[in-house]
Amino acid sequence: GAGVSQTPSNKVTEKGKYVELRCDPISGHTALYWYRQSLGQGPEFLIYFQGTGAADDSGLPNDRFFAVRPEGSVSTLKIQRTERGDSAVYLCASSPLAGGDGTDTQYFGPGTRLTVL
Amino acid sequence: GQSLEQPSEVTAVEGAIVQINCTYQTSGFYGLSWYQQHDGGAPTFLSYNALDGLEETGRFSSFLSRSDSYGYLLLQELQMKDSASYFCAVRDDKIIFGKGTRLHILP
Repeated sequence: GAGVSQTPSNKVTEKGKYVELRCDPISGHTALYWYRQSLGQGPEFLIYFQGTGAADDSGLPNDRFFAVRPEGSVSTLKIQRTERGDSAVYLCASSPLAGGDGTDTQYFGPGTRLTVL
Repeated sequence: GQSLEQPSEVTAVEGAIVQINCTYQTSGFYGLSWYQQHDGGAPTFLSYNALDGLEETGRFSSFLSRSDSYGYLLLQELQMKDSASYFCAVRDDKIIFGKGTRLHILP
């Protein structure tokens, strides 16, 4: 079946602009995660959705970052007033279930490479 | 604070065995996962340990010692295609990834 897809694959924007990054998870997966990955680093957790609600948004770096998942499927990560330090690969992952037992495997999308000039 | 430590780079010879270690310090712990990531690609899941001991999946094995807050990924019969970065990740209330170990394989 189809995996996790993310659009756009690349986004170049100017400092101060607004961007939206989209994630289409695997159909039926209830859990959705957003990560940010800089070169030579591991994925950095941003936010996690269980269904439509943000179960944990503690990784969002500041109030310029916001994410939604209105129907429990597609999610959009929104970044306002972009800064050069926001440049990174933004990864989305989905999982069939999520919970404290930690048995869920995360399936990652190819990422969106964001460059802020 | 919460942290995961793993070597930044490891080099091994094709056909050999290599072990990548991971130590962690987190406020909570549900399990240790390993992911592989090729340059320009997305992380892909390799293994998961919630209990102490060794889990084997083909050429890859993963070990966990909860009392030592330590785990490792063992790769056997190395192939050139195994050249990639390997990340350990701990599930606390969220997933925390290490910085990754870049595995170089020599012919």
